[in-house]
Amino acid sequence: DQQVKQNSPSLSVQEGRISILNCDYTNSMFDYFLWYKKYPAEGPTFLISISSIKDKNEDGRFTVFLNKSAKHLSLHIVPSQPGDSAVYFCAAGIQGGKLIFGQGTELSVKP
Amino acid sequence: DTEVTQTPKHLVMGMTNKKSLKCEQHMGHRAMYWYKQKAKKPPELMFVYSYEKLSINESVPSRFSPECPNSSLLNLHLHALQPEDSALYLCASRVTGGIQETQYFGPGTRLLVL
Repeated sequence: DQQVKQNSPSLSVQEGRISILNCDYTNSMFDYFLWYKKYPAEGPTFLISISSIKDKNEDGRFTVFLNKSAKHLSLHIVPSQPGDSAVYFCAAGIQGGKLIFGQGTELSVKP
Repeated sequence: DTEVTQTPKHLVMGMTNKKSLKCEQHMGHRAMYWYKQKAKKPPELMFVYSYEKLSINESVPSRFSPECPNSSLLNLHLHALQPEDSALYLCASRVTGGIQETQYFGPGTRLLVL
């Protein structure tokens, strides 16, 4: 049972435009959600998080939106830059529990 | 500072070798993790240490043996590995307590088993 799903394995966006990466989950008990960015052969880098009691969190070009009723979150990157090209993982957790990762979405930002 | 360091960066070993991976963090985090990751796949949890005690073993084969000598160090001892164990091995740590438990990952050790 995949509790966290990223249904788009890949996404291609033009430089300067908005990138929207989506993530769906099934467990309403998750306390928090995280987004990580991963370059090839490197460890995941933490990008941004959101608590389950919030519906939006913003950090520079990155904004995460949480829709609890739809069990859906999204990461918006504005404006997208070629250096944003990477695999993005969403992850969800319950306090004291394990982190559950989605399968990842590979973002390609074209100049 | 959210730095987790891992050594070595790359490792090639034969199926009869014994080697160790090392992870270090000085953020005062009391929870540390080992993950295995294959290309473009999500990290797979292997072990969790909480306050230097093993709290989770995700049914990992005994050829992988974790060790937590102190609150800053985490080792993964490798023995008699198989070629299918070739992967990126990631260490992570997080603050204990609080609702939001962000894990910070190291750069990984890329392991090739011949």
